[in-house]
Amino acid sequence: AQKVTQAQTEISVVEKEDVTLDCVYETRDTTYYLFWYKQPPSGELVFLIRRNSFDEQNEISGRYSWNFQKSTSSFNFTITASQVVDSAVYFCALSEVSMNTGFQKLVFGTGTRLLVSP
Amino acid sequence: DTGVSQDPRHKITKRGQNVTFRCDPISEHNRLYWYRQTLGQGPEFLTYFQNEAQLEKSRLLSDRFSAERPKGSFSTLEIQRTEQGDSAMYLCASNFRGENYNEQFFGPGTRLTVL
Repeated sequence: AQKVTQAQTEISVVEKEDVTLDCVYETRDTTYYLFWYKQPPSGELVFLIRRNSFDEQNEISGRYSWNFQKSTSSFNFTITASQVVDSAVYFCALSEVSMNTGFQKLVFGTGTRLLVSP
Repeated sequence: DTGVSQDPRHKITKRGQNVTFRCDPISEHNRLYWYRQTLGQGPEFLTYFQNEAQLEKSRLLSDRFSAERPKGSFSTLEIQRTEQGDSAMYLCASNFRGENYNEQFFGPGTRLTVL
């Protein structure tokens, strides 16, 4: 069965610190997708990034970067120079795609609450 | 396009009452998903529609839950005889089946409180 583990329940940092959110996943499939979503206090899940299982290139988008390592089944997320607006719950998710129906079930981790203080 | 919308945003009901939630996906999206999120947890998959067809249902979707998507546009999720354990955030998401896999776009959710 698929599983996503986010071992860090809550992280507190001071503004401008770098912070890394860990994500470890389990799947038996060779084709899968990994995601990060942000959930601010308003509640709406905001998509941040998608990665497929064949693309292990690390990605950087502004202050955000992601490190995907299949060898350790990890997909970690780093925020550089954190800001107060980064305070939110961050979810890592894993998806499988059914080639017949196109069905994609997202399996989420339990989330990591990031608190950035001024 | 204003994104995925859900109505109502909040619902408080008494145990035993029926409730219905509505989701309007992004207009060109033919796939629609319902998830449930309880406090301190990540969202859990409930059901999936491709156009008007309900193709997948989770074991979490008990007989008291029913979802529809008439004409492949908006969707409704009904909970009959609500229980306190149904208290949660109900999230709707949508995306489009094209050549490439696309991320799911989420609505703001409906927070249900069963007293």
